[in-house]
Amino acid sequence: DGGITQSPKYLFRKEGQNVTLSCEQNLNHDAMYWYRQDPGQGLRLIYYSQIVNDFQKGDIAEGYSVSREKKESFPLTVTSAQKNPTAFYLCASRADTYNEQFFGPGTRLTVL
Amino acid sequence: AQSVAQPEDQVNVAEGNPLTVKCTYSVSGNPYLFWYVQYPNRGLQFLLKYITGDNLVKGSYGFEAEFNKSQTSFHLKKPSALVSDSALYFCAVRDRRGFQKLVFGTGTRLLVSP
Repeated sequence: DGGITQSPKYLFRKEGQNVTLSCEQNLNHDAMYWYRQDPGQGLRLIYYSQIVNDFQKGDIAEGYSVSREKKESFPLTVTSAQKNPTAFYLCASRADTYNEQFFGPGTRLTVL
Repeated sequence: AQSVAQPEDQVNVAEGNPLTVKCTYSVSGNPYLFWYVQYPNRGLQFLLKYITGDNLVKGSYGFEAEFNKSQTSFHLKKPSALVSDSALYFCAVRDRRGFQKLVFGTGTRLLVSP
């Protein structure tokens, strides 16, 4: 999982609560990403960031928010507006245009 | 729009036999193509990529993939499967233009029996 950490590994949320998932990388990568993984649907892009203080919505951004105040960190907040947040969340980073994305170990979020 | 199809939800193969996991793609222009593997409750691990050059790409753990532009395919192969290869495999494509968003297929579960 090379240089990308995600915490916590498991997270339980009550309905109506906001929760924040942490993603930290020490690879000095500029670009960072958040994906959601649901069974049988592959990975879907939530948000991405190419540089500090800049981020863009992906395909399923509704109900989520992010910040990119430091190069190393790209936290994801799952808000109460996300109606079906139970999923496996993956953070990734990429060095430059030609390179692959490196993934963190993931956070499994369950809504109680 | 970019898209990736992995037509098989599951592939079963006996240990020692060759394996193929299929992937076809749709993208404007020339693609960047990737294969990743995922073990249960883990993140994705990079296996190999095609950027340009030789159509046969060799990657980690003895895997290789063949880029076929005319058939828009990028099938993953291994000459001799191991039980430890059992996992979920994802193909992904990236457009060379713009931000180059990665689009993933829905994944293929590989089961290698002893």
